[in-house]
Amino acid sequence: QSALPQPRSVSGSPGQSVTISCTGTSSDVGNFNYVSWYQHHPGKAPQLIIFDVNKRPSGVPDRFSASKSGNTASLTISGLQAEDEGDYYCCSYAGSYTWVFGGGTKLTVL
Amino acid sequence: QVHLQESGPGLVKPSETLSLTCTISDDSISDYFWTWIRQPPGKGLEWIGNIYYSRSANYNPSLKSRVTISIDTSKNQFSLKVNSVTAADTAVYYCARARWWDRPFDDWGQGILVTVSS
Repeated sequence: QSALPQPRSVSGSPGQSVTISCTGTSSDVGNFNYVSWYQHHPGKAPQLIIFDVNKRPSGVPDRFSASKSGNTASLTISGLQAEDEGDYYCCSYAGSYTWVFGGGTKLTVL
Repeated sequence: QVHLQESGPGLVKPSETLSLTCTISDDSISDYFWTWIRQPPGKGLEWIGNIYYSRSANYNPSLKSRVTISIDTSKNQFSLKVNSVTAADTAVYYCARARWWDRPFDDWGQGILVTVSS
């Protein structure tokens, strides 16, 4: 079970938008609408920010949005803020009650 | 919000067994799926496996031969054992909750660093 490829890093200035991709296969991202995204600040517990491809838990700003096309899921963060800096991971259901994470993307707010 | 707390030795010798426990507060362990996830230093998150109290555990195929997840409803705890550890098992280990098998991990423990070294 290999990690889903994500760009190692992305960056943007405050107020700008960035998009992070997550490339899966027809066995995971492409076959199930159970893609979630997590924000991780070092030293803290990861936090769920997107589930079921494009749904936001309560309390997550609508600056965070996501979508899926074929085997690729994407997370877009609009109106970048300094506190958005951190690591972002996609996660997909992979069948047989198993899950697979993406390799993670480091977001730098310039 | 449920509280999850990982506990266990922070140092394990190579070839020995890593054992961790996750204690759940303010919620019933019988109502959810419980998951172990780890993050090696400088690397990404890795799903290890999950368990529901009345079902058998499910494991990452790449770890399945060395991992056992169990649950103790009387103590509101679930546990992780990793056999024959090597330095590659050095990681921060997280326990997390999912509301059902197809639900995301919506609550996490703070994580515990386990180092494999002689």
